[in-house]
Amino acid sequence: GAVVSQHPSRVICKSGTSVKIECRSLDFQATTMFWYRQFPKQSLMLMATSNEGSKATYEQGVEKDKFLINHASLTLSTLTVTSAHPEDSSFYICSAGPRGAFYGYTFGSGTRLTVV
Amino acid sequence: GQSLEQPSEVTAVEGAIVQINCTYQTSGFYGLSWYQQHDGGAPTFLSYNALDGLEETGRFSSFLSRSDSYGYLLLQELQMKDSASYFCAVLSSGSARQLTFGSGTQLTVLP
Repeated sequence: GAVVSQHPSRVICKSGTSVKIECRSLDFQATTMFWYRQFPKQSLMLMATSNEGSKATYEQGVEKDKFLINHASLTLSTLTVTSAHPEDSSFYICSAGPRGAFYGYTFGSGTRLTVV
Repeated sequence: GQSLEQPSEVTAVEGAIVQINCTYQTSGFYGLSWYQQHDGGAPTFLSYNALDGLEETGRFSSFLSRSDSYGYLLLQELQMKDSASYFCAVLSSGSARQLTFGSGTQLTVLP
């Protein structure tokens, strides 16, 4: 089955620094990957759609200059949280699926970001 | 845009059957999907309905009525390990095929 690997699983950073999160599709090519954010006991909110070789599409209210997305290859998308602040502390999850018929997207294991 | 509604909490006992309902309003619908998420973990895919009717996968079944903008997840022979959050999600008909999630239903299975 489709496997998505996400790193790191946990990260603690200081306010004002940047953090990069990687999402890799291990056994399939992903022209599109999705980045979600989840606060405790809440739903997954789509932040942006990452497109291989082109600019990401951001959801309304998501600052594209703060959450930089790069999808340079068919198997790797990265999310960089720039100038992180405590309010950016959250659970960030990526997902993807093989092209063609939809059989459910696979999610990465998530990244717990804590900004201190 | 998309909006989905599902109950916030459901409690049942081991061995019982529970149904989690989901109603949706959407501007572009392709199908309805269900995911399970344990505390601290990633969502895992359970089922997907693109057409009306019932899809069965082991102890879990999912139903869709496109005309009623309604679906449900049916969990049978509940086990303690089924205690988790369950999310319905609409797959959009746009080129990006995005998933928009409901608010989630916390299922607690009691012994």
